[in-house]
Amino acid sequence: GAGVSQTPSNKVTEKGKYVELRCDPISGHTALYWYRQSLGQGPEFLIYFQGTGAADDSGLPNDRFFAVRPEGSVSTLKIQRTERGDSAVYLCASTLTGGELFFGEGSRLTVL
Amino acid sequence: KQEVTQIPAALSVPEGENLVLNCSFTDSAIYNLQWFRQDPGKGLTSLLLIQSSQREQTSGRLNASLDKSSGRSTLYIAASQPGDSATYLCAVGMGYGQNFVFGPGTRLSVLP
Repeated sequence: GAGVSQTPSNKVTEKGKYVELRCDPISGHTALYWYRQSLGQGPEFLIYFQGTGAADDSGLPNDRFFAVRPEGSVSTLKIQRTERGDSAVYLCASTLTGGELFFGEGSRLTVL
Repeated sequence: KQEVTQIPAALSVPEGENLVLNCSFTDSAIYNLQWFRQDPGKGLTSLLLIQSSQREQTSGRLNASLDKSSGRSTLYIAASQPGDSATYLCAVGMGYGQNFVFGPGTRLSVLP
């Protein structure tokens, strides 16, 4: 596609529920990143994919968070047993490795 | 661990002024540095990417400089306009195929 696409743009869920957030990167971009941004702060790194594999998942806060990229293109961030503290904007970015980073519009998650 | 700070946190200027935004980082062993713009409720838009071997990059009214040895980058905006009002973030690329560390951003308001 022309840009990085993220769905849903908004997600409201209840505490304890399971959530999936999807990212469709720019076609041909090998690297894909997930970040989380809270109000008034800069994006916080979660996980980075090079192709299909997670090259660095050191930013995932705990084992309730998991991400996949099975075919090296679309990625899904999965959050189990959501907590109110998970509320944030989840940003996805893609790049040719070592190059300019391009972001999607983000998925705003609200956990009630 | 790389830490990125941005000063000032917020800035308000009258239209037409030239201004400088600052970004500092603690580990000078960076791969590149990228400046972004973020409008409220939106994703990040790339402005300029500076590779570690470069000293500056220019795009229109924007000029970004990089001094790796001192751990600093500046974003210069000439002849500011109300449409420049946004949050500006810098991100440090930690290596080829590695993650980016973001600063908290500078919130800019340009008054007509």
